Amino acid sequence: ETGVTQSPTHLIKTRGQQVTLRCSSQSGHNTVSWYQQALGQGPQFIFQYYREEENGRGNFPPRFSGLQFPNYSSELNVNALELDDSALYLCASSSSGRAIGEQYFGPGTRLTVT
Amino acid sequence: KQEVTQIPAALSVPEGENLVLNCSFTDSAIYNLQWFRQDPGKGLTSLLLIQSSQREQTSGRLNASLDKSSGRSTLYIAASQPGDSATYLCAVRLFNYGGATNKLIFGTGTLLAVQP
Repeated sequence: ETGVTQSPTHLIKTRGQQVTLRCSSQSGHNTVSWYQQALGQGPQFIFQYYREEENGRGNFPPRFSGLQFPNYSSELNVNALELDDSALYLCASSSSGRAIGEQYFGPGTRLTVT
Repeated sequence: KQEVTQIPAALSVPEGENLVLNCSFTDSAIYNLQWFRQDPGKGLTSLLLIQSSQREQTSGRLNASLDKSSGRSTLYIAASQPGDSATYLCAVRLFNYGGATNKLIFGTGTLLAVQP
């Protein structure tokens, strides 16, 4: 059992709107990473948070932003939604900011942009 | 730029058959390689993690091998069962200055169907 939880499970938004997705990391884990998985593709790295700071980012525009809280939970915010943002958003937690630990994934949030 | 490729994209086998899934990567400077299972519309379940210094890892009916020099990994599934039907993804973790990053580079997966 991984212990990583995400909310909501599903979400439908309209183009141009803003969305916030949430992730609770596994107990004892202090690092959270976010991934976007389009249909039929492998997950793509968005960014990583360690000790409440972003310390790694993939090839995503600034309208993708995040937060990490003192309890290590995290949020992913996406502004000005586009149709191509429709995807499964996955959160992963691990036990070290230096990325030594194995990553454990949550069940994901399915975002549909219409 | 690290690229990860998985072949075949889809595979259908009868129950009980042994099978091999393939994963290749272009840059051998990896920290480790991880195999995941993904059921339709669900998150990822970690199956096996192989450190760059290791050659293979085993868990139950699963065996994963790693050949860094040739940029290849295989996932061997013995005595396949219908419950093994899922998409299997491999991912490599890169080296970065001062250690590894948390960034995983994924392949596009192999969709496995085990027919009863």
